[in-house]
Amino acid sequence: DGGITQSPKYLFRKEGQNVTLSCEQNLNHDAMYWYRQDPGQGLRLIYYSQIVNDFQKGDIAEGYSVSREKKESFPLTVTSAQKNPTAFYLCASSIGEGAEAFFGQGTRLTVV
Amino acid sequence: GQQVMQIPQYQHVQEGEDFTTYCNSSTTLSNIQWYKQRPGGHPVFLIQLVKSGEVKKQKRLTFQFGEAKKNSSLHITATQTTDVGTYFCAAVDAGGTSYGKLTFGQGTILTVHP
Repeated sequence: DGGITQSPKYLFRKEGQNVTLSCEQNLNHDAMYWYRQDPGQGLRLIYYSQIVNDFQKGDIAEGYSVSREKKESFPLTVTSAQKNPTAFYLCASSIGEGAEAFFGQGTRLTVV
Repeated sequence: GQQVMQIPQYQHVQEGEDFTTYCNSSTTLSNIQWYKQRPGGHPVFLIQLVKSGEVKKQKRLTFQFGEAKKNSSLHITATQTTDVGTYFCAAVDAGGTSYGKLTFGQGTILTVHP
């Protein structure tokens, strides 16, 4: 089955800890994205990557880091510098710039 | 940077009434996409508009792209309870500095009362 997989679905962490969210796709897509969703604020872009070993900051990159060492994988690390990390995180991929984006099921992160 | 504004934020309708959500960009767009997110789910692609003034239909859904490629709308005729969810527009900037950036509007949450 082709698709985009995020894990885990729910994640709990203590304040001050870094946490890495997984995103894997087997669609052979070049582009991958990370979004954060908070109630009433839609989807805000954290980082995006158009090609392996290259990525760009989105609108709310502070406190987050990513890597794109493989085409299939685009993990997101939420660092302790992120002031309000509790949110729903969505990963997406597309075949290229401006193309339809396919989303994973999302990871709901709760920091206590 | 590019800003994408979507209105209204919320819309409550009776089943059978029409619904429209509007999307406006501060910059000229290469294309615009529309997505639907059901409660508890993830966004799912509905359609992409590329040409100035383009109109596309999917059953009861009508999508328009403005002549200046800075705004778009989604209209649902005779809403049904299955239309419930959040509708997002997503914009791809025509400018070169934000290559590949896909920016979403805030979304319109549609509630349909039976």
